[in-house]
Amino acid sequence: EMQLVESGGDLVQPGGSLRLSCVASGFTFSSYAMSWARQAPGKGLEWVSTLTASGGSTYYADSVKGRFTISRDNSKNTLILQMDSLRAEDTAVYYCAKRGFFDLWGRGTLVTVSS
Amino acid sequence: DIQMTQSPSSLSASVGDRVTITCRASQGISNSLAWFQQKPGKAPKSLISDASSLQSGVPSKFSGSGSGTDFTLTITSLQPEDFATYYCQQYNSYPFTFGQGTKLEIK
Repeated sequence: EMQLVESGGDLVQPGGSLRLSCVASGFTFSSYAMSWARQAPGKGLEWVSTLTASGGSTYYADSVKGRFTISRDNSKNTLILQMDSLRAEDTAVYYCAKRGFFDLWGRGTLVTVSS
Repeated sequence: DIQMTQSPSSLSASVGDRVTITCRASQGISNSLAWFQQKPGKAPKSLISDASSLQSGVPSKFSGSGSGTDFTLTITSLQPEDFATYYCQQYNSYPFTFGQGTKLEIK
């Protein structure tokens, strides 16, 4: 069974950093682009970032560009989102997903940015 | 950026009904359009990619159509488990963008 499991969400102060992880299983992780999306409380979905299968190309939403970094470790079937300079408006459930069209989603991890 | 506009924003329907949700792109996106279903407190679930290709395991009561700028999601014979929020997403060009969502409620 294909599965994505996120971890790393937490309460963090504005200006702080957090590292999210997503472990994939049930498919050949290294063959697929991977993405992150987020959903603020009571709001809709927002695309955050996508990384190509090789890791050679990265794409970011303007709202996170320069603050977030997407990466992957294909030897560990793991997708990473390093989040720096966090703001209150980054508060959301963060989802890991397969491909740029999100054909498989994780259950999400909650990030709360508050003092 | 490509803006995705869904209509209606909310929709009331009865069990057994057939409903259609529309998604319009601010510029042409070929068939690079996906549809998702999300229930309260749960992660979204992929229903359709490439505008009309049903994901594995998704029942045939869901269907998608369209190309260019105008797309539709049709759900036939509504059952209680179909009442949820539905989103479209374009992946033709970065930044990828989602529609604002359509909440399907029981009448």
